[in-house]
Amino acid sequence: ETGVTQSPTHLIKTRGQQVTLRCSSQSGHNTVSWYQQALGQGPQFIFQYYREEENGRGNFPPRFSGLQFPNYSSELNVNALELDDSALYLCASSRWDSYNEQFFGPGTRLTVL
Amino acid sequence: SQQGEEDPQALSIQEGENATMNCSYKTSINNLQWYRQNSGRGLVHLILIRSNEREKHSGRLRVTLDTSKKSSSLLITASRAADTASYFCASDNYGQNFVFGPGTRLSVLP
Repeated sequence: ETGVTQSPTHLIKTRGQQVTLRCSSQSGHNTVSWYQQALGQGPQFIFQYYREEENGRGNFPPRFSGLQFPNYSSELNVNALELDDSALYLCASSRWDSYNEQFFGPGTRLTVL
Repeated sequence: SQQGEEDPQALSIQEGENATMNCSYKTSINNLQWYRQNSGRGLVHLILIRSNEREKHSGRLRVTLDTSKKSSSLLITASRAADTASYFCASDNYGQNFVFGPGTRLSVLP
């Protein structure tokens, strides 16, 4: 297992609500990336955070936002939840100078009803 | 939209047989990596191959890369029931994020 942790493990929300997912990066890592994985599909890149700022974003609307804290942990916030937001949300941590060595957490399973 | 495609989408084999999965991508890449995922859990890194490499081995895994065809293959030899999982290729095109294919679901029957 990697040293990346995510919370909560599972979450059920209703359409229109807001959700916050959390990720603690592996020791020594300063970069966090978030991915959305719909059922039966591969992960899709949402955004990446480095030095507490967003550094790159995939094709996701602004209601997907994030934060990175001084200890390099990160949050993913999703506003105005839609049914299609139901997915496994994965975070991955890495060192900025070794971005291709990303270590993934176990994920948070979000269900939107 | 995702850049890569894996082939086949699903594969079922007997223990002891070899499993081959293919991946294609659309743009030039820096590296290509293969990951395993068990039952919708986190991704486990298997192997990385750089764009200037053609073949790489790690234990029972063999990865090839053909940049002229923009394709890669993952071979698992002497498969075991524990190899049952979904396998994804992920490419990076000198950016900071990975582009994943849709994955191959491998079932190894005892």
